[in-house]
Amino acid sequence: DIQMTQSPSSLSASVGDRVTITCRASQRISSYLSWYQQKPGKAPKLLIFATSSLQRGVPSRFSGSGSGTDFALTISSLQPEDFATYYCQQSFSTSFTFGPGTKVDFK
Amino acid sequence: QVQLQQSGPGLVKPSQTLSLTCVISGDSVSSNSAAWNWIRQSPSRGLEWLGRTYYRSKWYNDYAVSVQSRVTINPDTSKNQFSLQLSSVTLEDTAVYYCARGGNEGFDYWGQGTLVTVSS
Repeated sequence: DIQMTQSPSSLSASVGDRVTITCRASQRISSYLSWYQQKPGKAPKLLIFATSSLQRGVPSRFSGSGSGTDFALTISSLQPEDFATYYCQQSFSTSFTFGPGTKVDFK
Repeated sequence: QVQLQQSGPGLVKPSQTLSLTCVISGDSVSSNSAAWNWIRQSPSRGLEWLGRTYYRSKWYNDYAVSVQSRVTINPDTSKNQFSLQLSSVTLEDTAVYYCARGGNEGFDYWGQGTLVTVSS
């Protein structure tokens, strides 16, 4: 299986901050990378697919970048509703795998 | 609007079979463009994809290597749903189980989640 790592594992930020979360794959995955947001007690929500394509209804302050093995999710101006855990996921290999998550909380 | 509604027991005894069902509305289990997945989440294993079923002129299944010998995912076209069966469960299979639609472009619709506890 392709292993996914994320950094940092957690971060503290304030409303209005620019936040970047990185994700690394154990082998090249082209652009087959998605990002999810999860809040406690809820299912993950798809934010970005194919590295940089914004899912319908997701605010434009979310953006994705990268290729090969290194990817990033950026929130341009953190909003109160953005405090959550974020996961990356590869779909290059049929045995889909997720990163361990990055928790974004209040500074 | 696609909706996925899960059902099934929340408690399963060790060595028994875990069974969950996911009813689809707003799409078809027989769609030629969708795939139907089961994913679980636990503190120890994180988010773990278990497998999928999909129809492309015939039915296909893919399963995660970690559960391949114990897992079965079946479509039910008459009820527009799909199911998960995981046999010989152990305490390690305790998790929140989700059904979800998607594949190469991410999982865009999810069920509400079912906490399944393996305990005697």
